[in-house]
Amino acid sequence: QKEVEQNSGPLSVPEGAIASLNCTYSDRGSQSFFWYRQYSGKSPELIMFIYSNGDKEDGRFTAQLNKASQYVSLLIRDSQPSDSATYLCAAVHTGGFKTIFGAGTRLFVKA
Amino acid sequence: EAGVTQSPTHLIKTRGQQATLRCSPISGHTSVYWYQQALGLGLQFLLWYDEGEERNRGNFPPRFSGRQFPNYSSELNVNALELEDSALYLCASSLDRRVGYTFGSGTRLTVV
Repeated sequence: QKEVEQNSGPLSVPEGAIASLNCTYSDRGSQSFFWYRQYSGKSPELIMFIYSNGDKEDGRFTAQLNKASQYVSLLIRDSQPSDSATYLCAAVHTGGFKTIFGAGTRLFVKA
Repeated sequence: EAGVTQSPTHLIKTRGQQATLRCSPISGHTSVYWYQQALGLGLQFLLWYDEGEERNRGNFPPRFSGRQFPNYSSELNVNALELEDSALYLCASSLDRRVGYTFGSGTRLTVV
């Protein structure tokens, strides 16, 4: 079982729609959770982090965390073609010694 | 504020050679993390340095090694290069890993 699991996609949504990206993790002791965006050929860029159960909103982005279900999600409202990228979910492992990344979900936003 | 800088951008080596990759963290960040991203794969944790010491390493053979200098910059060395070592090597720094990393632009290593 992978420690951080994501659907590889691609996920295709029309411009202006809500894109929903999901992630599950296996380590119940994981403390903080992250969403990074990676454009093709570029390095990952931090979008949001969350460590408490519930929702956290930042502009068009909302991260959701459910520790009981070991589930993290990212909602992108009013999706734009510029949001087309690979989205990486990550979790700080128990003990805080390393951050584990999922393989990423490719998102395509169609104009 | 300068971000995380990595050099070189691209590196081409022959199988069996050694490669040295360099990273300078954001000013004030004492921790440096190295990740490998092979084509089509996720980021695999390599090494974590903090205050000049290796704090943790991932599931990579000992031919992957590195160090951190007193100015917190870091070097990743890969000995006895194999074709499978071809990947994007990313360095990141952070004040507190619980709030995330800032990545450098990476070094693309190609082993031929």
